[in-house]
Parts: sequence; structure tokens; C-alpha cells
Amino acid sequence: NAGVTQTPKFRVLKTGQSMTLLCAQDMNHEYMYWYRQDPGMGLRLIHYSVGEGTTAKGEVPDGYNVSRLKKQNFLLGLESAAPSQTSVYFCASSLAGGPTDTQYFGPGTRLTVL
Amino acid sequence: GQNIDQPTEMTATEGAIVQINCTYQTSGFNGLFWYQQHAGEAPTFLSYNVLDGLEEKGRFSSFLSRSKGYSYLLLKELQMKDSASYLCAVLDSNYQLIWGAGTKLIIKP
Repeated sequence: NAGVTQTPKFRVLKTGQSMTLLCAQDMNHEYMYWYRQDPGMGLRLIHYSVGEGTTAKGEVPDGYNVSRLKKQNFLLGLESAAPSQTSVYFCASSLAGGPTDTQYFGPGTRLTVL
Repeated sequence: GQNIDQPTEMTATEGAIVQINCTYQTSGFNGLFWYQQHAGEAPTFLSYNVLDGLEEKGRFSSFLSRSKGYSYLLLKELQMKDSASYLCAVLDSNYQLIWGAGTKLIIKP
């Protein structure tokens, strides 16, 4: 039981390049989330999904796109990377979105955009 | 706007007790979470409070006062492995988690 996994763990991009971050969970969770974490700031929600085939915008969605074609996978895309997108990206999942549902986090992807 | 305040950094001694405070102003309230995050790792769940009062779980306890918009995390019998950041997060009226910036706790021998 791997929980939540993220690929890759580290990546360096040049401005304007594109990439996709992959998140996978094996807990049969309905809800999945993409966050970014920057020094001195709280986790900020980029996009989330309440089930297979659905996605919704979070607090900071600009410059990112997502897809949830399979229940266990949630992809985060950067179409044209910018230095402001240098951050640590965390994926999380929860059984449902209710108030008592704990979010389980992946190990993170450290992205640097030059 | 929505805001969660926590001290940036705290230092405590091994074996002692430390209290990490969190104050919040959010649009609605559906519960407050505490997560622990070791450096370079993912956040992991510690506690959830939705009613006023103290919830005890081993060496860790969490307190909530909804009328004051205030919570604290109490860590007893501190161990070196407790050195980590502690994140406070509030579930707002839209069931979105609003996160504080975290408190870095440094434990000294």
C-alpha cells in the first residue's frame, strides 16, 4: 500500500518549457488536490477534483491545468513555466471532502524554473 | 480576507512542554486541523477539532475556542524527533482548507 506517490521528485525547467506532474493514490479516494508550498506561506490550493472526470479551481489556478481521467491519478500541467512557479508541489487525497476527512499527502515535487 | 496566524519559529528543550498557538479569521468554520511536517517531507495529520475544548492524543493535545478564533497544539515530553513544522489549517464555509504558514519548532538537548 504505497499511499500517495508523486513523479518526479525534482525537476529543473527553463522559462517557457512545459511539464506534467503525476500524482497517484491507491486508497480509492474520491478527492484529490494539488497544492504549492512557498517559504513563509501556507499551502495554497491550485486545483482539486471531487471524482473521476471532474476538476475545479482552487486559490491559485492561473498557469496550471489538471486532469483526472482515472480515479487514482491526478495530473498537474504547466504549459509555459515561469520563475514564479518555482515551488514545492504537493498532491493530496481524501476519502471525501467532508470536514472530518483527513488529507493524505504525497512526498512532494521540488520544481525550479530558471 | 481569510487569515491564519502562527508564530514563525519556536525553540524548546527536550523533555519540556511547548504550546503552539494559532489564531484565525475565516469565512465560516467547519473545523481546525493540525499537521506535522518534517523538513523536506509531506505534512501528516495530527488532530482535528470542531467543538470547543481539549482533545488529547498521547503526548499531543489540541485545544479550540471558536468564540475567540483560537487554537493551540500542546506537545509534552518533547523528543528530538518532534523537531518539525506544525501547520494549522481551518476548513472554511466552502469546505476549503485555509493553511497557516506553519511554526518551525526547534528542540534542543
